[in-house]
Amino acid sequence: NAGVTQTPKFQVLKTGQSMTLQCAQDMNHNSMYWYRQDPGMGLRLIYYSASEGTTDKGEVPNGYNVSRLNKREFSLRLESAAPSQTSVYFCASRLAGGPDTQYFGPGTRLTVL
Amino acid sequence: SQQGEEDPQALSIQEGENATMNCSYKTSINNLQWYRQNSGRGLVHLILIRSNEREKHSGRLRVTLDTSKKSSSLLITASRAADTASYFCATFYSGNTPLVFGKGTRLSVIA
Repeated sequence: NAGVTQTPKFQVLKTGQSMTLQCAQDMNHNSMYWYRQDPGMGLRLIYYSASEGTTDKGEVPNGYNVSRLNKREFSLRLESAAPSQTSVYFCASRLAGGPDTQYFGPGTRLTVL
Repeated sequence: SQQGEEDPQALSIQEGENATMNCSYKTSINNLQWYRQNSGRGLVHLILIRSNEREKHSGRLRVTLDTSKKSSSLLITASRAADTASYFCATFYSGNTPLVFGKGTRLSVIA
C-alpha cells in the first residue's frame, strides 16, 4: 500500500516549456487535490477533483490544467511554464464521506528558469 | 480568503519544554485538523477535532477548540528534537469542500 505517489520528484524547466505532474493513490479515495507550497505562503489549492469525472478550480488555478484520468490518477499540467510557477507541488487524496483526513504525496520540486 | 492563520510563525524551544501553537479561522467549521511537515516532505495528519468537541488528546499532543473565538491551539508536551517541523492547521467546512490550510508555524526544538 504505497499511499499517494507523485512523479517526478524534481524537475527543471525553461520558461515556455510544458510538463505534466503525475499523482496516483491506491487507497480508493474519491477526492484528489493539487496544492502548491511557496515560502511563507502555506499551501494553496490549485485544482481539486471531488469525485471521478469532476474537477474544480481552487485558489490559484491560472496557468494550470488538470485531468482526473480515473479514480486512482489525477494529473496537473503546465502548458507554458513561467518562473512564477517555481514551487513545490503536493498531491493529496481523501475518502469523501469517511474520515476527513487528507493524505499527501511526497511532493514535486519544480524550478522554472 | 478563508485561510486560517497560525501564530506564532516561528517558535524555538529547548528539548523537554512544551510548545504551543495557535490557529484562528474566519467562518464556522465542521472540524479542524493539525498536520505536520518535516523539511522536504509531504504533510502528515496529526489530529482532528470536531466542532462539537472542546479538547482532544493524542499521545503528547493536546488540541483545544473554541468555536466562539474561532480559534484552536496545539500543545506538544515534553518536546523532542524530532518534533522539529512545520505545523499547519486546516479547516474543513462541509461536503466535498477541500481543506483550507494556514501558513504554518515552524517549530525548532533544540537538544
